Amino acid sequence: NAGVMQNPRHLVRRRGQEARLRCSPMKGHSHVYWYRQLPEEGLKFMVYLQKENIIDESGMPKERFSAEFPKEGPSILRIQQVVRGDSAAYFCASSQDRGTEELFFGSGTQLSVL
Amino acid sequence: AQSVSQHNHHVILSEAASLELGCNYSYGGTVNLFWYVQYPGQHLQLLLKYFSGDPLVKGIKGFEAEFIKSKFSFNLRKPSVQWSDTAEYFCAVNAESGYSTLTFGKGTMLLVSP
Repeated sequence: NAGVMQNPRHLVRRRGQEARLRCSPMKGHSHVYWYRQLPEEGLKFMVYLQKENIIDESGMPKERFSAEFPKEGPSILRIQQVVRGDSAAYFCASSQDRGTEELFFGSGTQLSVL
Repeated sequence: AQSVSQHNHHVILSEAASLELGCNYSYGGTVNLFWYVQYPGQHLQLLLKYFSGDPLVKGIKGFEAEFIKSKFSFNLRKPSVQWSDTAEYFCAVNAESGYSTLTFGKGTMLLVSP
C-alpha cells in the first residue's frame, strides 16, 4: 500500500540553480497539494492541483515558483533561481476527493540552498 | 478566510502526565477539523478528525479531541502521555462547503521526558 511518494528526500542547490521536487500521490488519488514548512511556522499552503489543472495557487509566490500535475507522471514543484529563503521542507499531500477530505502526506523534501 | 491558532508552541511533560493542547479556529461557516502529528523525521499522520456528529472524537494512540462550536475550539487531549508521544502536533481546519484547502496552525512541539 504505497503512500504518497516524494523525491528526493534531500535536495541541495546553490543560489541561482533550479530545484525540482516530485510527488506521486496515493493510488486512486487525483488531488495533489503542496505545502511548505518553515521552522516554527507550521505548514503553509502553496498550491492545489488536479490532473492537468491548477485549482488554487493562492499560496504560491508570484515569481520563480510553478507547479504541474500532468496526465501521466508525478506532480512537480519547480523553483527557478533558488535563493536562501527558499530553504524549507516541502510536503506534498493527496486526497481522493476535493479538499474537504483527509489529506495523506508524503515524507517531504528538505531543500537546502547554499 | 479561515485561520487556526494553537496556544502553545512548546510543551514539556513527564511521562504519565495528562495532556491538553489548545486549538482555536476562525471561520464563519461549518468546518471539518483535524489533528495531525509529525514524529521526528517523519511525515504528518492523521491523529483524528471531526466532520459531524458526536463532538468528542477519539483517535489513534489514546488521543481524543472535543469540538466546542460556541468556543470555536478543538482541543486535543490524552490522559497519560508516553515518551513515544514526543512529536509536533498540528491542528488544521477546512470549510465543509465547496472545496477548501487545509489551513494549519503553527504547531505545538511536545516533549515527554521519561
